[in-house]
Amino acid sequence: GENVEQHPSTLSVQEGDSAVIKCTYSDSASNYFPWYKQELGKRPQLIIDIRSNVGEKKDQRIAVTLNKTAKHFSLHITETQPEDSAVYFCAASLKTSYDKVIFGPGTSLSVIP
Amino acid sequence: NAGVTQTPKFRVLKTGQSMTLLCAQDMNHEYMYWYRQDPGMGLRLIHYSVGEGTTAKGEVPDGYNVSRLKKQNFLLGLESAAPSQTSVYFCASSSGAATNNQPQHFGDGTRLSIL
Repeated sequence: GENVEQHPSTLSVQEGDSAVIKCTYSDSASNYFPWYKQELGKRPQLIIDIRSNVGEKKDQRIAVTLNKTAKHFSLHITETQPEDSAVYFCAASLKTSYDKVIFGPGTSLSVIP
Repeated sequence: NAGVTQTPKFRVLKTGQSMTLLCAQDMNHEYMYWYRQDPGMGLRLIHYSVGEGTTAKGEVPDGYNVSRLKKQNFLLGLESAAPSQTSVYFCASSSGAATNNQPQHFGDGTRLSIL
């Protein structure tokens, strides 16, 4: 079936450094790629998303890049802060009988002060 | 504006018991989803609904049933709970389809333990 792979599963960075999380997807019809952040014990929350007709999108310290040919997309966080520590999930839309997204397994990011 | 509200927040069941998880949204969203979250496995879709009166199976539907009798509510039922259903359950809603770039809004989750 369709799936989304995500790497790395855990990531530790020093405060102020950059963090990069990479995802690959299998459904060539996918056209919407959201990223969610989940703090410990909290709900997942959308932090940024990108459409298939856009190669890059930025929002302050976070950016997402998309390579449709290679079927992969990445989340970039610059100048990391301790409050960036969380689990990050990528997702990709699936064009089936009803539209939905499939999530990657998540990346646990720790920012060390 | 409460967004997506899940009840209960915590529950402990014995194997074989049944229960219903309630999800309510006040955003007039058409789409609603039930996920389960297990360590290292991300969010897996159980069932979803694209409108009042409709339901569809997701990735892991076995052992669960759902109903969407009212647009604002989406119920998840466990007919005969099993220890493998111990998980955190999240409900989500969106105004439209994912391919129309509609993000999902999540509830706070229900932590369910089956003994």
